[in-house]
Amino acid sequence: EAEVAQSPRYKITEKSQAVAFWCDPISGHATLYWYRQILGQGPELLVQFQDESVVDDSQLPKDRFSAERLKGVDSTLKIQPAELGDSAMYLCASSRDSSGNTIYFGEGSWLTVV
Amino acid sequence: GDSVTQMEGPVTLSEEAFLTINCTYTATGYPSLFWYVQYPGEGLQLLLKATKADDKGSNKGFEATYRKETTSFHLEKGSVQVSDSAVYFCALVKGSGNTPLVFGKGTRLSVIA
Repeated sequence: EAEVAQSPRYKITEKSQAVAFWCDPISGHATLYWYRQILGQGPELLVQFQDESVVDDSQLPKDRFSAERLKGVDSTLKIQPAELGDSAMYLCASSRDSSGNTIYFGEGSWLTVV
Repeated sequence: GDSVTQMEGPVTLSEEAFLTINCTYTATGYPSLFWYVQYPGEGLQLLLKATKADDKGSNKGFEATYRKETTSFHLEKGSVQVSDSAVYFCALVKGSGNTPLVFGKGTRLSVIA
């Protein structure tokens, strides 16, 4: 069964350092999402791509976060500089289209900022 | 804006007990509704969904019915198992396209033998 692949699974970084997460969606899925899940809360959308274009990044803290999906396939989410409050799970998800009705999630990348 | 409200946890049940996790939503139009499950240390898995009023989603013994009149999508299971221990998230998405999932805060379920 095809899966959304994410790496790394776990990352510990010091405050003010840069950190990056990678996501490879299910083959053929045009829509890719990055969500942030703070411990004890539900996931919140950071950015949504349709192919290589950003559809929604209204909740992405653009002063420190960036996301790209250059060839419309895999994607990278970067944080620079990291802050203590960025400690969370970063979830990547993909779907075949933008209707949102069947979205598949990866296992997530846990970030701890110390 | 659109939102989902779930009952607060944690919920602790004995094995074979009946489970209900309440979920209500606020949204314009006619959203699709979902339950996702997150096992410890893992990502989210789709448990079930319903795309229109009165639809019943079901999977692995879990059920939820889309109630438009009460804007609810309560999750139920007749007999829980220890392996059902997880965090359950109710979510919605509007059907108009290019809209992301909006999640509730999650309800932690612990089932004890």
